[in-house]
Amino acid sequence: GAGVSQTPSNKVTEKGKYVELRCDPISGHTALYWYRQSLGQGPEFLIYFQGTGAADDSGLPNDRFFAVRPEGSVSTLKIQRTERGDSAVYLCASSLTGTPRLDTQYFGPGTRLTVL
Amino acid sequence: GESVGLHLPTLSVQEGDNSIINCAYSNSASDYFIWYKQESGKGPQFIIDIRSNMDKRQGQRVTVLLNKTVKHLSLQIAATQPGDSAVYFCAENSPMDSNYQLIWGAGTKLIIKP
Repeated sequence: GAGVSQTPSNKVTEKGKYVELRCDPISGHTALYWYRQSLGQGPEFLIYFQGTGAADDSGLPNDRFFAVRPEGSVSTLKIQRTERGDSAVYLCASSLTGTPRLDTQYFGPGTRLTVL
Repeated sequence: GESVGLHLPTLSVQEGDNSIINCAYSNSASDYFIWYKQESGKGPQFIIDIRSNMDKRQGQRVTVLLNKTVKHLSLQIAATQPGDSAVYFCAENSPMDSNYQLIWGAGTKLIIKP
């Protein structure tokens, strides 16, 4: 594809529900990142995949958050028992190798999650 | 500028004038810096980067200046156009902390006055 795509673009859910957010990275990119962005703030790192494995999940706020990338391409961010504080824009980015100084991170448009 | 809570620093510039957006970074070990542009409803878009062995780097209509002594980064946009309206973020990377993680600043909103 031409760029990183994310679906859905908007998701409204009720407190306590389960949600899945999908990211389609640029073809051939081995590195994939998930970020969370609150209004007026910079992206907050959540998790980094190198291929199929989560190389660093230290940014996940708690065990309600989980992400997978089973075939080293598409990734899904899963949030259980959503809380109002989870409301934010969830951004996905991909890059060729995963080293910022070597190649650029390309971002998707984000999924705006609203928990009522 | 630096963010204060949820108040996003804002810079208003007349169309055609030059814009200067500032960023103070925190880690003296950071040696790689990037400027991103984020338009409303979109993800951040790479603009320009600079390594710590340089003081200045120029792109198309943009220049990044790095002052390591005071840990300050600036982005200059020449002849600002309406399409430059966006939030601008600086990001830094230190290999001592992580080879892949970027530490992001709070952002500055650029508004272009006609």
